[in-house]
Amino acid sequence: AQSVTQPDIHITVSEGASLELRCNYSYGATPYLFWYVQSPGQGLQLLLKYFSGDTLVQGIKGFEAEFKRSQSSFNLRKPSVHWSDAAEYFCAASGGYQKVTFGTGTKLQVIP
Amino acid sequence: EAQVTQNPRYLITVTGKKLTVTCSQNMNHEYMSWYRQDPGLGLRQIYYSMNVEVTDKGDVPEGYKVSRKEKRNFPLILESPSPNQTSLYFCASSPVPGTGDDGYTFGSGTRLTVV
Repeated sequence: AQSVTQPDIHITVSEGASLELRCNYSYGATPYLFWYVQSPGQGLQLLLKYFSGDTLVQGIKGFEAEFKRSQSSFNLRKPSVHWSDAAEYFCAASGGYQKVTFGTGTKLQVIP
Repeated sequence: EAQVTQNPRYLITVTGKKLTVTCSQNMNHEYMSWYRQDPGLGLRQIYYSMNVEVTDKGDVPEGYKVSRKEKRNFPLILESPSPNQTSLYFCASSPVPGTGDDGYTFGSGTRLTVV
């Protein structure tokens, strides 16, 4: 069955520190991959997406993600976290013309 | 502004009283979907629609109905709500999935409480 796994339920980082959020997928072929962010009380906003080509994808708000086929991973990174990045982050995958499967989310806390 | 509009934002209702949550998008997207979000479970798809008059079940369709009579609207209907349908609901739309631009645009959510 298709699945997306985010192994970290909660992560705490200091402001200014680097960030990496993990995402692993299980699909029959390489899926389309996405990262979304959900601020408290808000809907989800698309940060970035990967379809093909360059495995390092740049997104909004200074985020990037790297697709690694050999590890079935699509980890989200940011070099320096800001307090406003505190939110919940969702990784998602789609097989194309199929429904999108979401991970269970990672809550990011940023401490001063 | 390109957006998905859901109404209401908050709703408290009683068991068995039919309700409808509306969803409308202004981006001419073909694909629309409903999700529910529960703590620890992430987002689970309820129903989706590939186009007008084309709808299909997602992972958790029991107790819900949808219709897609117009491209822009995709209401979610709970004919007889029960407390286990207390949740945060999101409507989302995208160009046809599988193309090079099929990230979702989400509505702001509807927090439903069934007592």
